[in-house]
Amino acid sequence: AQSVTQLGSHVSVSEGALVLLRCNYSSSVPPYLFWYVQYPNQGLQLLLKYTSAATLVKGINGFEAEFKKSETSFHLTKPSAHMSDAAEYFCAVTSPIRGSARQLTFGSGTQLTVLP
Amino acid sequence: NAGVTQTPKFQVLKTGQSMTLQCAQDMNHEYMSWYRQDPGMGLRLIHYSVGAGITDQGEVPNGYNVSRSTTEDFPLRLLSAAPSQTSVYFCASRADIQAPNEKLFFGSGTQLSVL
Repeated sequence: AQSVTQLGSHVSVSEGALVLLRCNYSSSVPPYLFWYVQYPNQGLQLLLKYTSAATLVKGINGFEAEFKKSETSFHLTKPSAHMSDAAEYFCAVTSPIRGSARQLTFGSGTQLTVLP
Repeated sequence: NAGVTQTPKFQVLKTGQSMTLQCAQDMNHEYMSWYRQDPGMGLRLIHYSVGAGITDQGEVPNGYNVSRSTTEDFPLRLLSAAPSQTSVYFCASRADIQAPNEKLFFGSGTQLSVL
């Protein structure tokens, strides 16, 4: 079974500062990993995903994440925060085995606040 | 293309009442699922379906029923609502039931309060 842990339920950064949201995974095999974003009163949208190709993954809105097997991590970063980045961010994991990925397991979420 | 549509957006129930949360998608997706979102717990899978007539339980299925009579629709039924079912419910779908790398398309959610 796979699981993810998001460190920090709330993160605040100033506009223009680096954004770093942490995600660590637990899995018996190298998993597939995702970051989803949820804006207020909306459903989740895919930000980026790691599916065993390049370890540095670039997503939408200037976000990127790096898969580090040695650290079992998949942290989300953005060099310069914008006010529009304020949202809740979820890390998620699933098995890479075709036919077995019946569910995506989500972390508890990190609420990002961007201060002016 | 509407994507994934959920109704209603808000609902208040009394303990013991029943209701159905509706979910429809117009993308011809085989895989559909229901999640509940609770503060500090992320999203947890309730039930999912890999095609018409095929459903299975997720992580937290107790108190919920589902059926899948068509590819488009995947309603979630609460037979006897309990305060513990107060939550935000999301329906999500994806095209390929076998592909773990495909993204989920989410509806905008139903906020349910059980008094």
